[in-house]
Amino acid sequence: KQEVTQIPAALSVPEGENLVLNCSFTDSAIYNLQWFRQDPGKGLTSLLLIQSSQREQTSGRLNASLDKSSGRSTLYIAASQPGDSATYLCAVKDSGGSNYKLTFGKGTLLTVNP
Amino acid sequence: SQTIHQWPATLVQPVGSPLSLECTVEGTSNPNLYWYRQAAGRGLQLLFYSVGIGQISSEVPQNLSASRPQDRQFILSSKKLLLSDSGFYLCAWSRISGANVLTFGAGSRLTVL
Repeated sequence: KQEVTQIPAALSVPEGENLVLNCSFTDSAIYNLQWFRQDPGKGLTSLLLIQSSQREQTSGRLNASLDKSSGRSTLYIAASQPGDSATYLCAVKDSGGSNYKLTFGKGTLLTVNP
Repeated sequence: SQTIHQWPATLVQPVGSPLSLECTVEGTSNPNLYWYRQAAGRGLQLLFYSVGIGQISSEVPQNLSASRPQDRQFILSSKKLLLSDSGFYLCAWSRISGANVLTFGAGSRLTVL
């Protein structure tokens, strides 16, 4: 059974700092991995999706990497801003299981202080 | 462009009362539809998914049910709510094939008293 862990559970940084959020998964046979952002009391917004054949994806100040063999992904946020404060979740889609099911981590709560 | 609507946004219900949460998707046809629950301190839990009208798959046994009466409409229901049903319910959709990128609705906060 796939399990997804996100470390740390919470992170507080000063504005302008570069930071890394971690995601690990127990079964490396994945189809893709997706990073989401969730603001308090809101739905999830997809940030980046990495296919299993890819090593990284970039969108603006965000860069997500994937090391499938070691079961790890990182989300790098450059020059953090207070508006980046939110919970960040990663989710994996297994290659061998249900075509529809994603397994989510519990998220990292990020606070960027002005 | 595609949009997903979910309502009501907030709901407070007594134990034993019925529940109906509704989700609709616009701008696409034949989407995969999902209901997730997010409880405090826990990750997102997939409750139901649907690949077509009348086709519902349940991921966990519970007193909730789902229906898909129309291609772009997904309804989450209960006949009698339990305290443990409290949580944040999220509807999502994805395309049938491809990368399976999920797009979520804004969520429905359910409090059972």
